[in-house]
Amino acid sequence: EVQLVESGGDLVQPGGSLRLSCAASGFSSSSTWMTWIRQAPGKGLEWVAKINQDGSEKYYVDSVKGRFTISRDNAENFLYLQMKSLRVEDSAVYYCAKGHWTFDYWGQGTLVTVSS
Amino acid sequence: DIVMTQSPDSLAVSLGERATINCKSSQSVFHSSNNQDFLAWYQQKPGQPPKRLIYWAATRASGVPDRFSASGSGTDFTLTISNLQAEDVAVYYCQQYYSPLPITFGQGTRLEIK
Repeated sequence: EVQLVESGGDLVQPGGSLRLSCAASGFSSSSTWMTWIRQAPGKGLEWVAKINQDGSEKYYVDSVKGRFTISRDNAENFLYLQMKSLRVEDSAVYYCAKGHWTFDYWGQGTLVTVSS
Repeated sequence: DIVMTQSPDSLAVSLGERATINCKSSQSVFHSSNNQDFLAWYQQKPGQPPKRLIYWAATRASGVPDRFSASGSGTDFTLTISNLQAEDVAVYYCQQYYSPLPITFGQGTRLEIK
């Protein structure tokens, strides 16, 4: 059974940093692109970043470029999102998802709240 | 960026009836390379992550009941839920992947029971 479990969400002050993790199981995560998608409270879905199978290709939405870094550890089946210089508008539930065009599996999400 | 616009923002439909949700893209998402529309639909129930229902505009994902159907091409798409069940209460999103940088979603349509 495919499972994606995110962790690392927290309350952080503006300008702070946070690292999100996503543990993948039930499939070979090294065989597929992986993606982070976020959802602000009561709002819609926003694609954030994606990474290819070996980590050599990484892409970001403009609003997080230079502040967020996506990475993966295929040996341990983990996906990460390092977030720096966090802003209030980064507050959201962050989902990791399998795929890069469409997303057939999603985690339950982890909540990031940026507030003073 | 391709802008996806859904209509209506919300709708209420009686049990057993049909619900129709529309999605319009700001530019065509049809690609002649594979004669496919790069359009997906998701269902998000309260407190849950989204679930993929449809991809390639009309292909049902594995395990999705055939009450869910989708159609359209180019810039205009429709998700139809026939014989509405109580468990279909959710927010539905369309998503384009024709221009995957960035992938964009519609704003969502909230479906309730009348």
